[in-house]
Amino acid sequence: GENVEQHPSTLSVQEGDSAVIKCTYSDSASNYFPWYKQELGKGPQLIIDIRSNVGEKKDQRIAVTLNKTAKHFSLHITETQPEDSAVYFCAAMGTSYDKVIFGPGTSLSVIP
Amino acid sequence: DAGITQSPRYKITETGRQVTLMCHQTWSHSYMFWYRQDLGHGLRLIYYSAAADITDKGEVPDGYVVSRSKTENFPLTLESATRSQTSVYFCASSAAGLNGYTFGSGTRLTVV
Repeated sequence: GENVEQHPSTLSVQEGDSAVIKCTYSDSASNYFPWYKQELGKGPQLIIDIRSNVGEKKDQRIAVTLNKTAKHFSLHITETQPEDSAVYFCAAMGTSYDKVIFGPGTSLSVIP
Repeated sequence: DAGITQSPRYKITETGRQVTLMCHQTWSHSYMFWYRQDLGHGLRLIYYSAAADITDKGEVPDGYVVSRSKTENFPLTLESATRSQTSVYFCASSAAGLNGYTFGSGTRLTVV
């Protein structure tokens, strides 16, 4: 079945540095890749997404890249701030909603 | 306010009791989902619904029942709660097509 791997599981960066989280997926039919941010005690929040016909998408300090050939996609956060500290989940979506697979999450800590 | 709301926020129940978790969304999203989040297992799909009166099983449906008589409501019922159902439960909604999910704030359920 579909599998989504996510690395690293934990990440600590100094405020102002960049953070990169990488995900790989196994189902070549996946064609939509959202990223979620989950703060402590809250539900996951969609922060950016990318579709299979696009290689890169940016929204202010965050960007996502997609390599369909290699079946991996990455989240890039530049100029990190303490409020970026959270757990980040990637996901891969394909042909049906019961096939949506979330990655295991990355706990990002931004050290002031 | 527009959004997706879950109730209760916290619930403690005894083994064998029936408990219902409520989910209400105001966007008229056609799709609604129930996930459970556990350490070491990430987000796992319990049930989902494509429209009123249409529901389908997810990855971990055993012990749960759902209904969707109205588009905006998607209650999740644990018919006879077990300790293994202690978890944080998230409801989510999505417009049709490949779109990101909007999650509720979650219900932390403890079965004693």
